[in-house]
Amino acid sequence: ETGVTQTPRHLVMGMTNKKSLKCEQHLGHNAMYWYKQSAKKPLELMFVYNFKEQTENNSVPSRFSPECPNSSHLFLHLHTLQPEDSALYLCASSPEGDTGELFFGEGSRLTVL
Amino acid sequence: GQNIDQPTEMTATEGAIVQINCTYQTSGFNGLFWYQQHAGEAPTFLSYNVLDGLEEKGRFSSFLSRSKGYSYLLLKELQMKDSASYLCASRDSNYQLIWGAGTKLIIKP
Repeated sequence: ETGVTQTPRHLVMGMTNKKSLKCEQHLGHNAMYWYKQSAKKPLELMFVYNFKEQTENNSVPSRFSPECPNSSHLFLHLHTLQPEDSALYLCASSPEGDTGELFFGEGSRLTVL
Repeated sequence: GQNIDQPTEMTATEGAIVQINCTYQTSGFNGLFWYQQHAGEAPTFLSYNVLDGLEEKGRFSSFLSRSKGYSYLLLKELQMKDSASYLCASRDSNYQLIWGAGTKLIIKP
C-alpha cells in the first residue's frame, strides 16, 4: 500500500468510447503526476499538477484530458483513443513538484481495441 | 538529447551479489534515483544520489560518479523477492526526471 490508489486497475475500451481513470492520494502531497508505461520503454511523463495547477504538459495528444479538482484527486479523461495508447497508466504524487521521490499507484492497465 | 542506458535483463543466483549499471546523459544534473517495480505493482523509491560515492541502505547500495555520468545499484545476499525491474532516473536542470527503460532482474534458486 503506497497511499496512492488508482481505479480501475484494468480497462478495455473501443476507439470511440469515453472513459476516465481516477487517482486518489492519502499522503497529503501537493503534486500529482500521470505517467505512461509501455513495455520495455522508459516512463513517459504526461501531466504534472502542483497545488492543483497544471505545470507540465509534455506534448500529450488532446485525446487525453487531465483534471485535478483538488490536491488529493487526479483524473485522466480518455476519448477517441488509438490502439497505440494501450499501456499502463501510472499516477504518482510527491510532497512538492520538484522532488524525485515519487509515490506511485499500481496503475491502470488500458487496452484499446 | 537526454538519455538513460541500463541493461534490459539480468540473471543472478539467490544469495549472490548483482550490480545493475546505469549511464546517463541529461541537460544538467540534480540527482540520480533508483526505483524497484515488481510485476503488476507500483514502482517504489529505493535510493537517491546527488554526490559522488556510495550510499548504503541495508542489502542495497547505490553508487554515483558525476564525472562519468554513471551509477550502479548493488544488491547483496539476493533473495527471490528481489526479482523485479529496477528503474534508473536522472533529474535534469529543470528538475524533470529522465527515466531508463528498466532492468528486469531474474533471481534463480
